[in-house]
Amino acid sequence: DVKVTQSSRYLVKRTGEKVFLECVQDMDHENMFWYRQDPGLGLRLIYFSYDVKMKEKGDIPEGYSVSREKKERFSLILESASTNQTSMYLCASSLFGGGAPGTYEQYFGPGTRLTVT
Amino acid sequence: LAKTTQPISMDSYEGQEVNITCSHNNIATNDYITWYQQFPSQGPRFIIQGYKTKVTNEVASLFIPADRKSSTLSLPRVSLSDTAVYYCLVAPAAGGYQKVTFGIGTKLQVIP
Repeated sequence: DVKVTQSSRYLVKRTGEKVFLECVQDMDHENMFWYRQDPGLGLRLIYFSYDVKMKEKGDIPEGYSVSREKKERFSLILESASTNQTSMYLCASSLFGGGAPGTYEQYFGPGTRLTVT
Repeated sequence: LAKTTQPISMDSYEGQEVNITCSHNNIATNDYITWYQQFPSQGPRFIIQGYKTKVTNEVASLFIPADRKSSTLSLPRVSLSDTAVYYCLVAPAAGGYQKVTFGIGTKLQVIP
């Protein structure tokens, strides 16, 4: 089974702190994604990466950066955490154009609930 | 990316069949329709995908009419454990990475 793990289930940080959220997948997937999920807003894509050192902005990249130095690991960085970044953060991975056309099934991690105080 | 519209919430009694319809009027020729399910405190998980007509697996069926402007996810004889949020996604099948939009989804509440 594909496994996507996230470094923490719960995290509490103070305003202004630098925050690192780590995601690791074990299926050699090329694509990796970071989403945030908020009540009433659904899942929104922050960033995604289709290869090592490659990244693309999603719908809400402001206030975030990402790093992908190894294929299996994708990090989300909050340079200076703010209270409006309190949210559930979900990481996902998928194949790059592999499998049957249109598959690209995304496999999600359990999520990190981040609270910024 | 094609925009999708689905009901925000639905209630159903246990044992009933549930149909959740998603509208995607501007679906493109090479777009596929995918549904995900998300239980509380978990990430979404893929449940079914299709291009046209009908697709069935052990979890659900997906009905897609000829014009492909909508699709219906059908859950047979739901149980309490089917209480979840269901997301309809439309995205291209072309090779390469795929940016998709999950939206708010449909919150299904199964009632005993």
